[in-house]
Amino acid sequence: GNSVTQMEGPVTLSEEAFLTINCTYTATGYPSLFWYVQYPGEGLQLLLKATKADDKGSNKGFEATYRKETTSFHLEKGSVQVSDSAVYFCALRGGAQKLVFGQGTRLTINP
Amino acid sequence: DADVTQTPRNRITKTGKRIMLECSQTKGHDRMYWYRQDPGLGLRLIYYSFDVKDINKGEISDGYSVSRQAQAKFSLSLESAIPNQTALYFCATSDTSGSSDTQYFGPGTRLTVL
Repeated sequence: GNSVTQMEGPVTLSEEAFLTINCTYTATGYPSLFWYVQYPGEGLQLLLKATKADDKGSNKGFEATYRKETTSFHLEKGSVQVSDSAVYFCALRGGAQKLVFGQGTRLTINP
Repeated sequence: DADVTQTPRNRITKTGKRIMLECSQTKGHDRMYWYRQDPGLGLRLIYYSFDVKDINKGEISDGYSVSRQAQAKFSLSLESAIPNQTALYFCATSDTSGSSDTQYFGPGTRLTVL
């Protein structure tokens, strides 16, 4: 079946550091891939997505590239800010628009 | 105003009680979903509905039931709550137009079963 594995957190960085959160997936076919972000006390919101191999999703300085050969969709940002502190979820869309989520990675950015 | 609302936001109840969590949306979407979030496990799908007459079980539907009262409303019930149903519950919506496959989440309901 479909599954998503994310790097375990928590991750703590200093402001302006480079961020990578690893995500790999197992799926049949060619699923769409997503990163969702959950700020404290809020629901999840879409950060970025990619729908086919080699697509790059980007938003708010974050990027992720759909790598079919390595079944990965790693999240990166060149210079993080305190406001990026949140929980990040990698997900894939399987059949019938059902999302399968990774376990989430808690990110804390210190000033 | 929020597009996807959930009530209540917090609830504490006792084992064996019947609980209903409600979700309403103003996005006009056909599809609605209920997830639960547990630490270290991400979100897992409980039930989903593609329209008022369509209800489907997700991966962890045991102990839960749902009702789609209207396009805009999707309720989740715990018939007899147990402590391992303590979790954060999220409702989400999506539409069927074009290539859109984004889900929009409510703020969540934190449920504690004592």
